[in-house]
Amino acid sequence: GAVVSQHPSWVICKSGTSVKIECRSLDFQATTMFWYRQFPKQSLMLMATSNEGSKATYEQGVEKDKFLINHASLTLSTLTVTSAHPEDSSFYICSAPYRENTEAFFGQGTRLTVV
Amino acid sequence: GQNIDQPTEMTATEGAIVQINCTYQTSGFNGLFWYQQHAGEAPTFLSYNVLDGLEEKGRFSSFLSRSKGYSYLLLKELQMKDSASYLCAVLDSNYQLIWGAGTKLIIKP
Repeated sequence: GAVVSQHPSWVICKSGTSVKIECRSLDFQATTMFWYRQFPKQSLMLMATSNEGSKATYEQGVEKDKFLINHASLTLSTLTVTSAHPEDSSFYICSAPYRENTEAFFGQGTRLTVV
Repeated sequence: GQNIDQPTEMTATEGAIVQINCTYQTSGFNGLFWYQQHAGEAPTFLSYNVLDGLEEKGRFSSFLSRSKGYSYLLLKELQMKDSASYLCAVLDSNYQLIWGAGTKLIIKP
């Protein structure tokens, strides 16, 4: 089945540094990828929709200058958390639909801890 | 606004049957998904319903009633490994997934 690979699985960084998270579709092309954030015991919250070859669409309240998204190819989207702060510590998950109206395949998720 | 409701937590016994309900109010409807999520892991796909009725897949079944804005996930012959959160998500008219908060299912021996 379709697989989405996300890397790294976990990362610890210092406040003020930047962290890049990669999301790859391994056996299909994804013109659209989604980035979610999930705080403990809460639902997945959509942060932004990544579109290949164009600018990402951010949800209300998500700072586009802080969460930089690049979708340079049909199989790779990256999320960069810039100038990370402890409150950015969370579980970040990407997903890509295999086709419209089908299940979304999720990456393994990235546990970010900012110290 | 868009809203998806499901119980916060449920407890069931190993070997038994449990039904997790989900009600939704969304702008448009292009299908409803159920996902399973173990702690610290990404969600994994369980089922997709777009037409009314029951979809059976092994020990798991999912039901949809579009007129009632209602779905349930039925888990049979519960196993300890079924302890997880179960997320209901609706694909709205913009093909955006709207997520419920998830139901934490606790299985007791």
